[in-house]
This record gives sequence, structure tokens and C-alpha cells, in this order.
Amino acid sequence: AQSVTQLGSHVSVSEGALVLLRCNYSSSVPPYLFWYVQYPNQGLQLLLKYTSAATLVKGINGFEAEFKKSETSFHLTKPSAHMRDAAEYFCAVSDLGGGGNKLTFGTGTQLKVEL
Amino acid sequence: DTGVSQNPRHKITKRGQNVTFRCDPISEHNRLYWYRQTLGQGPEFLTYFQNEAQLEKSRLLSDRFSAERPKGSFSTLEIQRTEQGDSAMYLCASSSDYPTGELFFGEGSRLTVL
Repeated sequence: AQSVTQLGSHVSVSEGALVLLRCNYSSSVPPYLFWYVQYPNQGLQLLLKYTSAATLVKGINGFEAEFKKSETSFHLTKPSAHMRDAAEYFCAVSDLGGGGNKLTFGTGTQLKVEL
Repeated sequence: DTGVSQNPRHKITKRGQNVTFRCDPISEHNRLYWYRQTLGQGPEFLTYFQNEAQLEKSRLLSDRFSAERPKGSFSTLEIQRTEQGDSAMYLCASSSDYPTGELFFGEGSRLTVL
């Protein structure tokens, strides 16, 4: 079964600092990987996705992620954090084994941005 | 495209009562998913529809849970004889048939069982 592991349930950065949220995946087939963001009491919004094209994927709000097969990683980065980036971030892997586009999510990383 | 709509947004009920949630997906999406999210956790898959056919159910979906999508459009998720452990956010999502199509999520229905 496919899975993702997010290292660090809470990450705190200063405004203007680099954001790095870690995600490692486990998959027996080339994966499709996603990052979603969730603001309090809201649903999930797609930030970006990797679907076997370019390994460096750019998303919304200045975020990007790099697929590294050798490290089985798909870490999310942003060069300069803004207060509005404070939210929970979820990495997910797509089930290509017949479950439609079913996603399996990690446990999430809460990002805190401090002045 | 008005996005995925879920109702009600919040539901407080007493243990043992039945509750029903409704999801209206993006109109052109054939696939519809239900997830459950508890505090501090990622969403957990419950079930998936392709049009009106329920193609997959998680073992998390006990006999007290039932989901339908009668005409391949909106879907309902019913929980019978609610328990305190059912308290969670219930998320609905839809997607196209395209293999790399992402899931579009609604804002969720938060259930509190007293």
C-alpha cells in the first residue's frame, strides 16, 4: 500500500524565513504526489502536484516541491514565509490501483509563522 | 463551477441519534469521495463513487455508516446510532476521471456527538 510520512507535526519559522516541510513516500509504483493546505475550519486546497513530468513542481502562493526518487521525498519549500502561510499542510499520494484518484494523506504539519 | 458544497457545516447531536450529511460535487466530476478527519490527523478515506456506483469502502466505514449517490450527482453520508467516537470533520471531495486529476474538497461537515 502507498503511504506518506510527514516529519515534524509542528514547524515554526520567522516571517521572511525559508519554509521547509518534509514528506517521504512509500510506493511500489511511480507515485503521483500532492501537497494540500488547510486553514482552520475549512476544507483542503491544492497547492501543487507531481505527476511524473518535471521533478521540480511550482504551485500557488510561491510554494514549490521537488520529487527526489533516490530519497523517496517530496519536500515542500517556500523561500520567504508570510503570516498568511500559517496553516496545516498535508502531503498525499494517489492510489493508482483502482481507487479512482483516491488519496492517502500524511498526518499533517502545522506551520506557525512568527513576526 | 461553484465548487464542492457540503451541508450542514456543523451538526451537534446526542449519542444514539442518526445524522445525515449531504455533498454536492463539482457538476462535471464523475468521482466523489468521503473522508473523515479527526483533530490533529490527516483525512482518512471512507468511500468512493464512480457516478452512482460505490466502488470502494474503507474498513473504517462500519455498518452504522452508509453512503449513497443515487443519480450520480449529490451524495449523502448517514451515520446511524451515533457514538462519541464519530465526532469528526467529514470531508467530501470530487474529481474528474483524468488519472492525475486532483481532488477538490468541500469545506466539510463537523459532527459533534454529545
